[in-house]
Amino acid sequence: DQQVKQNSPSLSVQEGRISILNCDYTNSMFDYFLWYKKYPAEGPTFLISISSIKDKNEDGRFTVFLNKSAKHLSLHIVPSQPGDSAVYFCAASGALSGAGSYQLTFGKGTKLSVIP
Amino acid sequence: EPEVTQTPSHQVTQMGQEVILRCVPISNHLYFYWYRQILGQKVEFLVSFYNNEISEKSEIFDDQFSVERPDGSNFTLKIRSTKLEDSAMYFCASRLGQGSEAFFGQGTRLTVV
Repeated sequence: DQQVKQNSPSLSVQEGRISILNCDYTNSMFDYFLWYKKYPAEGPTFLISISSIKDKNEDGRFTVFLNKSAKHLSLHIVPSQPGDSAVYFCAASGALSGAGSYQLTFGKGTKLSVIP
Repeated sequence: EPEVTQTPSHQVTQMGQEVILRCVPISNHLYFYWYRQILGQKVEFLVSFYNNEISEKSEIFDDQFSVERPDGSNFTLKIRSTKLEDSAMYFCASRLGQGSEAFFGQGTRLTVV
């Protein structure tokens, strides 16, 4: 049962253009959403997050949008740079099983390639 | 900048042997996690640890797995009798609170032969 879905396994974008990575979730108990960037053989690196009380959060070139009614979030990177090439994971967290966990549930990831 | 550190970076072990993967979380964090990623697959939750006890575990985290925080700083994952399918990258993570990001270590690559 995939509670967090990233339906695009890969995305190619020209340098300077906008990259849009999408994520859908099914569990309405999720209330905190995060995007991580991951290079091969390294741990995930936190990029940006958004709480369910907001619909947008911006940090430099990165903006995350949350549409709660559609259970959908997206990460926009603009302008895209070759150094942004990596696997991007969407993750969600919430009080799924009481206090003391708040585990992150990850999507399968989208491999972004930014072409110079 | 504080970081989560994991040792060793790579562990090769024979099937059936016990392994202990070590992690030092960020010092003021309260929630601790182990995740794993089998090559080419998604990052999977194993276990969460809060207030000195397991707060949640996944189906993967069976009786062969255990976690400990013996001295208030280290956080270890033990696999009692490794199987070939345990080969994966294992990531430790820690988190200050519920509404904050989790910080991940660089991972331990476990290879069971």
